[in-house]
Amino acid sequence: EIVLTQSPDTLSLSPGERGTLSCRASQSVNNRFLAWYQQKPGQAPRLLIYGASIRATGIPDRFSGSGSGTDFTLTISRLDPEDFAVYYCQHYGSLPRITFGQGTRLDIK
Amino acid sequence: QVQLQESGPGLVKPSETLSLTCTVSGGSNSVYYWSWIRQPPGKGLEWIGYIYNSGGTNYNPSLKSRVTVSVDTSKNQFSLKLSSVTAADTAVYYCATADCGAADCYSLAYWGQGTLVTVSS
Repeated sequence: EIVLTQSPDTLSLSPGERGTLSCRASQSVNNRFLAWYQQKPGQAPRLLIYGASIRATGIPDRFSGSGSGTDFTLTISRLDPEDFAVYYCQHYGSLPRITFGQGTRLDIK
Repeated sequence: QVQLQESGPGLVKPSETLSLTCTVSGGSNSVYYWSWIRQPPGKGLEWIGYIYNSGGTNYNPSLKSRVTVSVDTSKNQFSLKLSSVTAADTAVYYCATADCGAADCYSLAYWGQGTLVTVSS
């Protein structure tokens, strides 16, 4: 079973700053199967990045994904006030077929 | 644009079966699988299971003995049944789809708004 561990649990930054969120897998995974989601209070998650680095339709280019093997990163180049939310990484693979990280909360400093 | 909407009882008694339906509108011929995910209040996301467009299913091993996911393509609906529920099953339940045309075939491109199901007598 692949376990995804996100860090930090909470990240406090100011608008305009750069945000770097980490997702570490317990074993090496195929980049094709790594995705990132954003969830705002009271809303469903929204797909941001799939295939580790491909932005989903309509996602601003300030969001970027990178990484390989066990270490993956979601970077938000310049934080907009609407970016403060919870972010989850997700893997599709062996049973359990879909696993999520525990989430990183991005708070306004 | 594909849209999903969950429906079903918001309150279920302990030991009973939770039943939810997800209605899909907007049409897509490239859905790879239809999935259910839940989120206990204040906590993270937990995958429950999914059904492929071919009809095959995969379930979270931790829930497998209690879960059934099915699809009715004639009604553009897919469903979740979770038996023998306890208070630990109280959560917001989301339906979601992996659509090869919208993104890749593995990530969840479309989500319903979610429905809160409370397990209580």
